[in-house]
Amino acid sequence: GAGVSQSPSNKVTEKGKDVELRCDPISGHTALYWYRQSLGQGLEFLIYFQGNSAPDKSGLPSDRFSAERTGGSVSTLTIQRTQQEDSAVYLCASSLLAGAGGTDTQYFGPGTRLTVL
Amino acid sequence: KNEVEQSPQNLTAQEGEFITINCSYSVGISALHWLQQHPGGGIVSLFMLSSGKKKHGRLIATINIQEKHSSLHITASHPRDSAVYICAVWVGGSRLTFGEGTQLTVNP
Repeated sequence: GAGVSQSPSNKVTEKGKDVELRCDPISGHTALYWYRQSLGQGLEFLIYFQGNSAPDKSGLPSDRFSAERTGGSVSTLTIQRTQQEDSAVYLCASSLLAGAGGTDTQYFGPGTRLTVL
Repeated sequence: KNEVEQSPQNLTAQEGEFITINCSYSVGISALHWLQQHPGGGIVSLFMLSSGKKKHGRLIATINIQEKHSSLHITASHPRDSAVYICAVWVGGSRLTFGEGTQLTVNP
């Protein structure tokens, strides 16, 4: 497929466990974004990778959240010691250009629905 | 006060009506995005604007940088246009800030 893919599509975990969420961007896209949407809430920006530059992590909600992007392609969002308030849909998007962030059309993945019991 | 304000929050229209959704922002931006979120949750980027006006099919988006305001118009609305429409602005070259969204329902 040519779109952004995310895995798993659904994840149920127990409070205190670590989880890893994966995003495969569209081939050739140099920018990758992570967002989350809590139930009934709006979208929240988490982090963005531009090419091979180090990301600005200030949007991550706590130090339990980390993200990496290997080889400028696949990205993993890791949540350590999950809490119930982490339950949300985590969305990934990618865009073609590696220029000034946000100035190119973003293509969204289907999301990973995370439920922390 | 949110950096991005959308109005209205909810909008119900009859098929064929002209629809306008507004977005105001209070910070300097490098770009403004309009997104559509379908009832199943999928998100599609409709427009990215840094100035002027863009048109795609029945959708038109405008932005006034001086007034910090953007509008999304839908002409000849159709029930399949029913979705949440989200305005988002790219701030400081490093983050995207979202409005709360406008829930649009178009009745046949």
